[in-house]
Amino acid sequence: EVQLVESGGGLVQPEGSLRLSCAASGFNFNNYWMQWVRQSPGRGLEWVANINQDGGAQRYVDSVKGRFTISRDNTKKSLYLQMNSLRAEDTAVYYCVRDGEVVVPGAVYDAYDIWGQGTVVTVSS
Amino acid sequence: AIQMTQSPSSLSASVGDRVTITCRASQNIRNDLGWYQQKSGKAPELLIYASSSLKSGVPSRFSGSGSGTDFTLTISSLQPEDSASYYCLQDYNYPRTFGQGTKVEIK
Repeated sequence: EVQLVESGGGLVQPEGSLRLSCAASGFNFNNYWMQWVRQSPGRGLEWVANINQDGGAQRYVDSVKGRFTISRDNTKKSLYLQMNSLRAEDTAVYYCVRDGEVVVPGAVYDAYDIWGQGTVVTVSS
Repeated sequence: AIQMTQSPSSLSASVGDRVTITCRASQNIRNDLGWYQQKSGKAPELLIYASSSLKSGVPSRFSGSGSGTDFTLTISSLQPEDSASYYCLQDYNYPRTFGQGTKVEIK
């Protein structure tokens, strides 16, 4: 079965750190871009970061640049999100997401086709 | 960042009704847009990519259209299992951005 399972969420104080993990199974993890997407009642769905197949390229939303780091270990079929200097506004459900990229002549389209169940991060004193 | 504006924010319709949700981008995004369905307590699921391409296995009552700045998700005959929130997502550039969502309820 193709699946993504997140772990590592929890309650953390402002300015604290947390590392999220995502274990992939049932597909060739090496072949896919991966991302983290978060969701909170106040901010809706928000794309956070992504990473290419070999880990050599990463992109971030401005609000987490310099604080969050996305990484992957293809030998362990795992995706990570290191979150530092956490703020109350980082409180959200964090989803690990596979990009089942669709390539056609002249274009490449994102297709976030596999999502984990989410892990809850709460930043509060 | 490109802003994605969805409308309406919520709607209530009867089984069998035709439902239309719109998404407007703050700049031209060609056809680099996907639609996602999220049922209560679950992760979002992909319905449509590249504005109008239906993901394999998604019922044919769902369709997407549009290019440039204006996009539409249509449910041709609303079913009880379509009660959910729907989100558009632009993949034209970074950061990727979602619309704020449309909650569809069944009367």
